[in-house]
Amino acid sequence: GQQLNQSPQSMFIQEGEDVSMNCTSSSIFNTWLWYKQDPGEGPVLLIALYKAGELTSNGRLTAQFGITRKDSFLNISASIPSDVGIYFCAGRRAGYQKVTFGTGTKLQVIP
Amino acid sequence: DGGITQSPKYLFRKEGQNVTLSCEQNLNHDAMYWYRQDPGQGLRLIYYSQIVNDFQKGDIAEGYSVSREKKESFPLTVTSAQKNPTAFYLCASRFGQGGEGDEKLFFGSGTQLSVL
Repeated sequence: GQQLNQSPQSMFIQEGEDVSMNCTSSSIFNTWLWYKQDPGEGPVLLIALYKAGELTSNGRLTAQFGITRKDSFLNISASIPSDVGIYFCAGRRAGYQKVTFGTGTKLQVIP
Repeated sequence: DGGITQSPKYLFRKEGQNVTLSCEQNLNHDAMYWYRQDPGQGLRLIYYSQIVNDFQKGDIAEGYSVSREKKESFPLTVTSAQKNPTAFYLCASRFGQGGEGDEKLFFGSGTQLSVL
């Protein structure tokens, strides 16, 4: 089955820095979702996007639905230690029931 | 509190043994899903069910079986035919039949299955 490509695969950043990650697909999606997974837990939904070009924020997190409909971006501003975890993108193609998940970006924050 | 409960948190399987992972939700969600997560990989869909007494294979269904006798419950059995069962298993659910706005999946806290 198709998987979405996320980059970077992992990143180490200093506390207080901003973070950017992205998710790309060869297919057009009509919904993008961003999740965060803490170690040993299930993913938790952060942001949902439904329109091309849409920019949505949730606290220090901002996500964008790419205008090509084939990508999405997540930014975290002023990172803190509790931002550590794996961030997954997910998307749904028009006419399909299934939600496809990305390969994940593992974020480590150095205090 | 409403949510999805997976049990047990840790499970060990012996050679040739079938084991069953439990998933219960009290969110009144219609659809339920099982995903497998291996280190460094994304979530891979094993089985899903959009309605009681109906379920479909996902991308990696071989060696697994499910049932959906009640709306609230979607147990996953890892059979002896699954030769590499060690992984983190996640159950998820969502409202509706997948229409606009119904894409939001809510996850349980997972079960780590290991082979003895």
